[in-house]
Amino acid sequence: AQSVAQPEDQVNVAEGNPLTVKCTYSVSGNPYLFWYVQYPNRGLQFLLKYITGDNLVKGSYGFEAEFNKSQTSFHLKKPSALVSDSALYFCAVRDLLTGGGNKLTFGTGTQLKVEL
Amino acid sequence: GAGVSQSPSNKVTEKGKDVELRCDPISGHTALYWYRQSLGQGLEFLIYFQGNSAPDKSGLPSDRFSAERTGGSVSTLTIQRTQQEDSAVYLCASSFRGSQGRTEAFFGQGTRLTVV
Repeated sequence: AQSVAQPEDQVNVAEGNPLTVKCTYSVSGNPYLFWYVQYPNRGLQFLLKYITGDNLVKGSYGFEAEFNKSQTSFHLKKPSALVSDSALYFCAVRDLLTGGGNKLTFGTGTQLKVEL
Repeated sequence: GAGVSQSPSNKVTEKGKDVELRCDPISGHTALYWYRQSLGQGLEFLIYFQGNSAPDKSGLPSDRFSAERTGGSVSTLTIQRTQQEDSAVYLCASSFRGSQGRTEAFFGQGTRLTVV
């Protein structure tokens, strides 16, 4: 079965500093990986995805994520955090080789707090 | 419409009543998901529809929960004999299967269900 782990419930960072939100995954075959962001009282918004190709993928709002197959990780990063980045971030994986077909499995979420 | 539409946005119901939540996916999207998000928690998978295939119901928490998708478009999630622990935000998402599931899922704003 596919699974996603986000080991940190909360990440605190000062504005202007780099941020990292961690994600590791487990799949039977090749993973398709996604990051979503949820602002208060809002639905989930897609940030970026890894399908194939370059291990470093760039997404919305200056975010990027690095796929590391050997460590089965897909950490979300941003070089310089903004207060407006404060939100709940979800990592998700899809594994086409499982019986679940296209099912998306989400991590438990990481609350990012960026302070002045 | 341009996005996934869910109705109602808010629903307050008495314990023991039945409720129906509606999801109108993006036109042309063949996959449809229902997730549940309890206050401050991650996303709990409920059910997944893909085209004409049998739905993946593995996440439904009890037989009080059911969902259908008519004509491959609109979906209704029904909760019978609601309990207070059913209180949560119910999120619907859709995606276009595309080439081997490479596309991201788009989420609606959710239905906030409160059982009193």
